[in-house]
Amino acid sequence: QKEVEQDPGPLSVPEGAIVSLNCTYSNSAFQYFMWYRQYSRKGPELLMYTYSSGNKEDGRFTAQVDKSSKYISLFIRDSQPSDSATYLCAMSQKTSYDKVIFGPGTSLSVIP
Amino acid sequence: ETGVTQSPTHLIKTRGQQVTLRCSSQSGHNTVSWYQQALGQGPQFIFQYYREEENGRGNFPPRFSGLQFPNYSSELNVNALELDDSALYLCASRAGGYNEQFFGPGTRLTVL
Repeated sequence: QKEVEQDPGPLSVPEGAIVSLNCTYSNSAFQYFMWYRQYSRKGPELLMYTYSSGNKEDGRFTAQVDKSSKYISLFIRDSQPSDSATYLCAMSQKTSYDKVIFGPGTSLSVIP
Repeated sequence: ETGVTQSPTHLIKTRGQQVTLRCSSQSGHNTVSWYQQALGQGPQFIFQYYREEENGRGNFPPRFSGLQFPNYSSELNVNALELDDSALYLCASRAGGYNEQFFGPGTRLTVL
């Protein structure tokens, strides 16, 4: 079993739709949870960073963490064609170094 | 404030050769991590450097080595290249006391 699982998609939605992206993990020691967006042939761009269980909102993006279920989600409201990218969930433990574990990514296409 | 930069953008090598990739961290960031991202996969942690010393390593063999310089820039060296080393190599930096890492655009390495 991989440490972090993520539906690879591809996911295709019409413009304006609400998008739900999800990850599950197996290591209960993970304490930091992140979502990155990666455009084709570019480096990952940090979207959301959370430490605890619960919701965190930033504009059209909401990150949700449920540590009891080992499940994290990213919701995108009013999706735009510019949101078309690969979305990577990532997580790490509280250690002396930043060994961030990434999911394989979900490819999202928002159709105008 | 400039972000993380990497050079070169693309590189083609043959099996058995050696390669050096370079990274300039974001201004004020003293910790640098390197990741390998194979096509269609999430990034995998190679190692991290802090104060010019390696302070954490993922599941990569010793032929992957690195350096960090006093100005916090960093190099990734890979010896005895194998076909499976073909990937996007990402550098990420963060400031001391903060958890968020910021990624560079990556170097795409092709091994023939």
